[in-house]
Amino acid sequence: NAGVTQTPKFQVLKTGQSMTLQCAQDMNHEYMSWYRQDPGMGLRLIHYSVGAGITDQGEVPNGYNVSRSTTEDFPLRLLSAAPSQTSVYFCASRSGARGYTFGSGTRLTVV
Amino acid sequence: RKEVEQDPGPFNVPEGATVAFNCTYSNSASQSFFWYRQDCRKEPKLLMSVYSSGNEDGRFTAQLNRASQYISLLIRDSKLSDSATYLCVVDNNNNDMRFGAGTRLTVKP
Repeated sequence: NAGVTQTPKFQVLKTGQSMTLQCAQDMNHEYMSWYRQDPGMGLRLIHYSVGAGITDQGEVPNGYNVSRSTTEDFPLRLLSAAPSQTSVYFCASRSGARGYTFGSGTRLTVV
Repeated sequence: RKEVEQDPGPFNVPEGATVAFNCTYSNSASQSFFWYRQDCRKEPKLLMSVYSSGNEDGRFTAQLNRASQYISLLIRDSKLSDSATYLCVVDNNNNDMRFGAGTRLTVKP
């Protein structure tokens, strides 16, 4: 099993550009989430999904959209990139009451 | 107030030492609790779940006190490979998980 796969691993965007961070899992997990991690802030929840067709906002949803059309995929869209969105983004999935399995992350820089 | 708060650290300990990390959470409806470890520039990895009765996995012991909304992690006989950041994680009853900012541990020879 590949687990949770995130692409790209690194990205540089200009302010105002849009892009989609991809996340796919092959474990048939129902729950998926996106987090961002900033120095001294820990991981903060952006959006999460409890199953295909169902998404909800986390702590810091502004500037991001998600959709969950299939169990496997949970893309994160940055609508108009801002320097404040420079961060490391992690996608994660879980099943039931178990802890999350994380992807290896996407390092995003917005200039 | 942050939803999940941890000892700020860093902890610098010699090999073989016992070290304890503490964590408090504010949402009394939280359902599940976990400890993760994160190595530098890597993704967090699940270390262990935390159960009300307390649980042990080798050199690691986790405890939960629901009344005080407090979680702990004890590492005995520290190894150099235990050097990492340890994250306290709380799962709310709406299925979103909240992370503490982490406590950095360095184990020295």
